Amino acid sequence: GENVEQHPSTLSVQEGDSAVIKCTYSDSASNYFPWYKQELGKGPQLIIDIRSNVGEKKDQRIAVTLNKTAKHFSLHITETQPEDSAVYFCAASWGRTALIFGKGTTLSVSS
Amino acid sequence: DTEVTQTPKHLVMGMTNKKSLKCEQHMGHRAMYWYKQKAKKPPELMFVYSYEKLSINESVPSRFSPECPNSSLLNLHLHALQPEDSALYLCASSQEGEGYTFGSGTRLTVV
Repeated sequence: GENVEQHPSTLSVQEGDSAVIKCTYSDSASNYFPWYKQELGKGPQLIIDIRSNVGEKKDQRIAVTLNKTAKHFSLHITETQPEDSAVYFCAASWGRTALIFGKGTTLSVSS
Repeated sequence: DTEVTQTPKHLVMGMTNKKSLKCEQHMGHRAMYWYKQKAKKPPELMFVYSYEKLSINESVPSRFSPECPNSSLLNLHLHALQPEDSALYLCASSQEGEGYTFGSGTRLTVV
């Protein structure tokens, strides 16, 4: 089955810096890669997603890149703000199968 | 309406109790999911319903019993749980394997 590795497990940055979180997946059939932000006491919130036929997608300060050959994808957050502090999860799925999550990255943005 | 609503938000139950968790979505999604999330861990898949039929059961103990009364509702019936079942239970829905939307979860404590 699918396995998703996520690094780093914790990331501390200064406000205004960029943050990068990386994930690798094992199943070459996976074709959908979302990223979720989870704040304390809340459910995961979809922040951006990418399909396997696209190499990069951007939404304001957030971007995701996908390298199908290497089977890895990354989340880039620019101009970080304290409210970006949360746990971020990458995930992968194929067709109508359910999402498989990475272990998560705790991002701390200090002002 | 782009929400998945879960009730109750918090639940404390004894090991001999029977309780149910409820989930509702009105986005027209035809797949619904139950995930279990322990502290500082990623969500783990429990069950998948596709077009109101159970399609995936990730070897979940029989003390957890899912039910999908219609395309908008998903229940999780709980009976004779153990303290180690204490966790955040998340409901999600998706359309054609994309756009997974999570509810805020039910925080379950088994005493």
